[in-house]
Amino acid sequence: GENVEQHPSTLSVQEGDSAVIKCTYSDSASNYFPWYKQELGKRPQLIIDIRSNVGEKKDQRIAVTLNKTAKHFSLHITETQPEDSAVYFCAGRMDSSYKLIFGSGTRLLVRP
Amino acid sequence: DTGVSQDPRHKITKRGQNVTFRCDPISEHNRLYWYRQTLGQGPEFLTYFQNEAQLEKSRLLSDRFSAERPKGSFSTLEIQRTEQGDSAMYLCASSLAGGNEQFFGPGTRLTVL
Repeated sequence: GENVEQHPSTLSVQEGDSAVIKCTYSDSASNYFPWYKQELGKRPQLIIDIRSNVGEKKDQRIAVTLNKTAKHFSLHITETQPEDSAVYFCAGRMDSSYKLIFGSGTRLLVRP
Repeated sequence: DTGVSQDPRHKITKRGQNVTFRCDPISEHNRLYWYRQTLGQGPEFLTYFQNEAQLEKSRLLSDRFSAERPKGSFSTLEIQRTEQGDSAMYLCASSLAGGNEQFFGPGTRLTVL
């Protein structure tokens, strides 16, 4: 079955620096890749997503890149702010199923 | 409130007891999902419904777990004969048919003593 691996598990950056989180997936039939942000004690919330027919998508300070050949995708956050501190989860989904397979999460700390 | 809601938010029970959780999806969302999240891990898929039909169930889900969505609106997740390993946050999500985004509820935190 599908497996999604995520790294690093923790990431600490200085405010204003960039942060990059990487994920790999196992099933080449996966075609939808969302990223969720989960603040402490809160529900996961979608911040950006990408479908497999697109290589890159950007929304203000957040961008996601996808390399289908290598089966990996990455989240890029530029000009980080303390409010970006949270746990970030990548996920993958195949068209044959609507379930999301999540990575194990990255705890991002932005130091002021 | 137009978001996904779950009830209760917290549940403490003794090993061997049965528990039931409820999820109310966003109205007009016909897909509803249940996930389980343990500390330090990503949400793990349990099952999902399209309207009232349960279309997929995780192989990890033992026969002590059952979910229903009788009228295609709210859903319940029941765990029978709870075990300490069932302690986790149970998350519900919903989405539109044809839509990608899954909107999550606040979760029900289960503690089995």
